[in-house]
Amino acid sequence: GAGVSQSPRYKVAKRGQDVALRCDPISGHVSLFWYQQALGQGPEFLTYFQNEAQLDKSGLPSDRFFAERPEGSVSTLKIQRTQQEDSAVYLCASSDEAAGGYNEQFFGPGTRLTVL
Amino acid sequence: QQQVKQSPQSLIVQKGGISIINCAYENTAFDYFPWYQQFPGKGPALLIAIRPDVSEKKEGRFTISFNKSAKQFSLHIMDSQPGDSATYFCAARNSGGSNYKLTFGKGTLLTVNP
Repeated sequence: GAGVSQSPRYKVAKRGQDVALRCDPISGHVSLFWYQQALGQGPEFLTYFQNEAQLDKSGLPSDRFFAERPEGSVSTLKIQRTQQEDSAVYLCASSDEAAGGYNEQFFGPGTRLTVL
Repeated sequence: QQQVKQSPQSLIVQKGGISIINCAYENTAFDYFPWYQQFPGKGPALLIAIRPDVSEKKEGRFTISFNKSAKQFSLHIMDSQPGDSATYFCAARNSGGSNYKLTFGKGTLLTVNP
């Protein structure tokens, strides 16, 4: 079946603009993660959803970052008043497990955000 | 605090050679250690993973060696091929927690010359 999809694939924003990044997880996957990958670095955790509940947002770098998953499927990561340091690839991953287990996290292709 | 340290940062290997990437972790609560492969413009894809109850896991040309007492694990790619050229990330996770977030190393850029 289809994997995790993300849109847009590329986004260029002027500093101060708001952006919204979309993630379509694999159908039926309970868990959804957002990660931020700076150039030349490994992905870093931002936030985690189990169904529609946001159980962990400890990785969000500031209150300008907001994520939602209102119906337990599609998720949106919103960044308000973008800054140059927000430039990165934003990765979404989904998994078919809830608490407990060793199931794989499947990653989408990411959205490359460039803030000018 | 970097919880998963990965080395080397980059690696060049000749076709047919062995590629070895090493990782070390701090958090003893980690109990799941996957390796991800990432090609340019793509998301990371799971390559192979190990739990700490075994010291080695092999899948085809890829082997993970795990040393629980040293808190280290490594990826060995046998008979390396040009198609293996990619960035490799080790990761770790505490599967007993309420959150399965992966903690990644900084990555190793592998180049396999023909």
